[in-house]
Amino acid sequence: DAMVIQNPRYQVTQFGKPVTLSCSQTLNHNVMYWYQQKSSQAPKLLFHYYDKDFNNEADTPDNFQSRRPNTSFCFLDIRSPGLGDAAMYLCATSREGQGDYEQYFGPGTRLTVT
Amino acid sequence: AQSVTQLDSHVSVSEGTPVLLRCNYSSSYSPSLFWYVQHPNKGLQLLLKYTSAATLVKGINGFEAEFKKSETSFHLTKPSAHMSDAAEYFCVVSAYSGNTPLVFGKGTRLSVIA
Repeated sequence: DAMVIQNPRYQVTQFGKPVTLSCSQTLNHNVMYWYQQKSSQAPKLLFHYYDKDFNNEADTPDNFQSRRPNTSFCFLDIRSPGLGDAAMYLCATSREGQGDYEQYFGPGTRLTVT
Repeated sequence: AQSVTQLDSHVSVSEGTPVLLRCNYSSSYSPSLFWYVQHPNKGLQLLLKYTSAATLVKGINGFEAEFKKSETSFHLTKPSAHMSDAAEYFCVVSAYSGNTPLVFGKGTRLSVIA
């Protein structure tokens, strides 16, 4: 089945130790998104790639970076995680430009910062 | 600009009784509207979407929603609640103009009592 895959599902890192979360998709969608979701809150968009074009939200901290080496993969790098970065990180994809604006979400990676 | 207001942060129903989750939206364009469901520690799953076709939209698991332009509403309903419906529900709007990120409501937590 076509899907959005996130690895790992659970990640524990130490305060200040860089961490990378990964997302892959078999949907061949041209847009990929990263969201941060804290407990009992709606997902908050960090950035998205429209094809190879990177779009950063204005309030996304510089501590968060992203890479998209090809259509299928997208990575979220947190350079120096703080305790406030503990959250669920959701990857999503969509097929923009063809009238279909539904986003397909992965299962998420729950990040714990110790 | 787009915005979404979910009128209830928490709704509690008895199993077998109807469910109503309320959502109002604001959009400068003809909107696309979505309802997503999120079970604990899971990603978001699309329940249904409205994209300027029929105003009564049927989704998965017996849910449906009606787009009412005059009331700027997109309420989610289900005739009979099941225990497995207990989850967080997000109403989401997207401008029908390409490459526009989704705007999420704050979510409604649905509890189902046996």
